[in-house]
Amino acid sequence: QEQLMESGGGVVQPGGSLRLSCVASGFRFGDFAMEWARQAPGKGLEWVALVRYNGDDKYYADSVKGRFTISRDNAKNTLYLQMNSLRGDDTALYYCMKTGNSGWFSDKWGQGTLVTVSS
Amino acid sequence: EIVLTQSPGTLSLSPGERATLSCRASQSVSNNKLAWYQQKPGQAPRLLIYGASSRATGIPDRFSGSGSGTDFTLTISRLEPEDFAVYYCQQYINSPLTFGPGTSVDIK
Repeated sequence: QEQLMESGGGVVQPGGSLRLSCVASGFRFGDFAMEWARQAPGKGLEWVALVRYNGDDKYYADSVKGRFTISRDNAKNTLYLQMNSLRGDDTALYYCMKTGNSGWFSDKWGQGTLVTVSS
Repeated sequence: EIVLTQSPGTLSLSPGERATLSCRASQSVSNNKLAWYQQKPGQAPRLLIYGASSRATGIPDRFSGSGSGTDFTLTISRLEPEDFAVYYCQQYINSPLTFGPGTSVDIK
């Protein structure tokens, strides 16, 4: 069955960096666009970034543009999110998602990895 | 950016009742690229509906989606105890993709 497993979360100081990873299994990873979304404690969902199946095209929320970079390694079935210049409002549970066959809706979500930005 | 507004913010209903959730977009969501997700406490969201009206794999037929353009609706025909959760709509027509703020369906 399809599975997504995030890792790399933790506590980081403001201005610091963190790299999240998401290992996929149970489907042809290289055939699908992949995404990240986040959810601050007690808040709603916020879409963060998307990378097309081949890694060539990437899209970002305005709130992270210029600070976060999404990438993928199809040989390793792994999605990444490099987060730089982290701020307190980046504190959230970060989800990795697989897109659907017919559009960029998210038909599979990981369980999330928690990022806390605090001094 | 397409802004999504969901109403009501909270819906208090009893098991067996019908739930009607609304999602309104600030501009037309072409090709009905609108999805609905369910999230229970401590869990990741789960896809319910895509393409405004297509049920995702394994989703019971008591869940249905409708609408087009800027107005969309998620209907739960008869609430089961496991349906009490938060529901989010999302447009995926273009970047940035956006979610609505959510509707919480609570037990009355």
